[in-house]
Amino acid sequence: AQSVSQHNHHVILSEAASLELGCNYSYGGTVNLFWYVQYPGQHLQLLLKYFSGDPLVKGIKGFEAEFIKSKFSFNLRKPSVQWSDTAEYFCAVMGNYQLIWGAGTKLIIKP
Amino acid sequence: ETGVTQTPRHLVMGMTNKKSLKCEQHLGHNAMYWYKQSAKKPLELMFVYNFKEQTENNSVPSRFSPECPNSSHLFLHLHTLQPEDSALYLCASSQDFGDEQYFGPGTRLTVT
Repeated sequence: AQSVSQHNHHVILSEAASLELGCNYSYGGTVNLFWYVQYPGQHLQLLLKYFSGDPLVKGIKGFEAEFIKSKFSFNLRKPSVQWSDTAEYFCAVMGNYQLIWGAGTKLIIKP
Repeated sequence: ETGVTQTPRHLVMGMTNKKSLKCEQHLGHNAMYWYKQSAKKPLELMFVYNFKEQTENNSVPSRFSPECPNSSHLFLHLHTLQPEDSALYLCASSQDFGDEQYFGPGTRLTVT
């Protein structure tokens, strides 16, 4: 069965630190990849997505993610986090007509 | 009104009750989804409708029954639920299955 792994369930960083959240998936075929974010008290919303083309994709609020096909990874990065980035982040993978979600990573930014 | 709306926002029901959750999308999308979000668990995809046809049912118990009368409306009918069904139920829509999804605010369900 396909799976999506987000290795860090909780991450705590100070403001201005760099961020990288891991996402690995198991399906070997063509995939669409997503990162969603859920700020406290708000709806889940799309942060960025990859369907094809440049494997380095840029999203909202300074986030980016890199698709590395050989590593089955789609890690999320931000060079300098802010307190307002405190949220839960979800990776999702669409492959072989199946949509699989990771367990989420709760990110807390200390002011 | 725009986006994805869900009603009610909060629901408390007994195990013998029958209730329904409603989702409406105003985005002209063809696919709609029901998810269950529980604390400390991954987001669980329950049902998917694409062009009003159910395309996925991820082994959801029969006490949950979806209905999609048209491409803008999605219902989740609930009956004889268990306390472990207490969770946030999210509705989402996308242009087509597998595209970027737009989520509603969810219904917080408590089964007593």
